[in-house]
Amino acid sequence: AQSVTQLGSHVSVSEGALVLLRCNYSSSVPPYLFWYVQYPNQGLQLLLKYTSAATLVKGINGFEAEFKKSETSFHLTKPSAHMSDAAEYFCAVSDHNQGGKLIFGQGTELSVKP
Amino acid sequence: GAVVSQHPSWVICKSGTSVKIECRSLDFQATTMFWYRQFPKQSLMLMATSNEGSKATYEQGVEKDKFLINHASLTLSTLTVTSAHPEDSSFYICSARDRARGVTEAFFGQGTRLTVV
Repeated sequence: AQSVTQLGSHVSVSEGALVLLRCNYSSSVPPYLFWYVQYPNQGLQLLLKYTSAATLVKGINGFEAEFKKSETSFHLTKPSAHMSDAAEYFCAVSDHNQGGKLIFGQGTELSVKP
Repeated sequence: GAVVSQHPSWVICKSGTSVKIECRSLDFQATTMFWYRQFPKQSLMLMATSNEGSKATYEQGVEKDKFLINHASLTLSTLTVTSAHPEDSSFYICSARDRARGVTEAFFGQGTRLTVV
């Protein structure tokens, strides 16, 4: 069975500071990993995904994530936070043995202080 | 490309009535769609996997007679909450997988806020 753990339900950073959102996964097969962002009362928007190609994945809005198999991690980073980055972020793993359904972490709320 | 439209975006209904939520893939064919439920400040809980032309597969603990899912075409899946009660109030989100892109990505609708009064 696959699972995802996001460390920290809430992260607060200052505008311009580094953003680091942590995600660890558990999977018995090579995983596909995703980061999504959700703004209030909206669906999810894909930030980036890892599908067994390059371990450093660049996404939209300046975000990137690095797949580290030895640490079973897929942490999301952004060098400089912007006010518009304030949202809920979800890490997910795809169970492609079961039709590709996504298993989500608990989510991390990112606050950005001016 | 890869747009999923969910309708309605919000709905208020009386207890005991049924509500239908539509999920459409606008510019791709979706052989598989997924329905999620999200409580405030919580993660998404997968309710069921909907495959075009066949019965939906429900996750453990989800009442299939209460949450009716129909996936009659490659671009449309519907979720009907039958005999809704206040505890069914939640945010419901669908996602669709583009058959041309395989299992590497699913696209999400904008969600439906259901309030049962």
